[in-house]
Amino acid sequence: DQQVKQNSPSLSVQEGRISILNCDYTNSMFDYFLWYKKYPAEGPTFLISISSIKDKNEDGRFTVFLNKSAKHLSLHIVPSQPGDSAVYFCAASLRTAGSYQLTFGKGTKLSVIP
Amino acid sequence: DAGVIQSPRHEVTEMGQEVTLRCKPISGHDYLFWYRQTMMRGLELLIYFNNNVPIDDSGMPEDRFSAKMPNASFSTLKIQPSEPRDSAVYFCASSSTQGSTDTQYFGPGTRLTVL
Repeated sequence: DQQVKQNSPSLSVQEGRISILNCDYTNSMFDYFLWYKKYPAEGPTFLISISSIKDKNEDGRFTVFLNKSAKHLSLHIVPSQPGDSAVYFCAASLRTAGSYQLTFGKGTKLSVIP
Repeated sequence: DAGVIQSPRHEVTEMGQEVTLRCKPISGHDYLFWYRQTMMRGLELLIYFNNNVPIDDSGMPEDRFSAKMPNASFSTLKIQPSEPRDSAVYFCASSSTQGSTDTQYFGPGTRLTVL
């Protein structure tokens, strides 16, 4: 039973355009969401997060949107750069329950074409 | 800070052998997590510790897997005996619940191949 789903295994975008990565979750108790980025032969690195009390969080070129009613979040990268090519993982946790355990999606491989 | 350190980076072993993976978390972090990444299952949590105490090991696939954290700066994940289906990349991550640093920091991973 996959509680966090990333339905697109891969995505290709032209440099300079917007990249939109999507994530759906099934557990309505999740209260904190994160995006991690992973390059080959490296561990995932934290990118951006959002609390369930917010619907948007922005950090430079990266913005995460949360739609609680739809149990959906998305990561927007504007403008996309070739260095953004990586696998992006969506993750969720139950912070108010005192759990820092993360449940990850399977990832979306983003390719930014120069 | 050196970040999370894992060793070895690559391990090739034969079925039935014991495998020990090692992790040094970031100094001062009070949570340590072990993950396994496979094509089929993605990134899955195996076990995590808080202040060196195992909190949830429900992700450990079988009794062949065991993990220890004898002190705040060292943890091991052991597989005995190893099987070909254990082949995967194993990540260790740490985090701190103090201050505002509560995201997980991952090590570079250990790529395990069991022949």
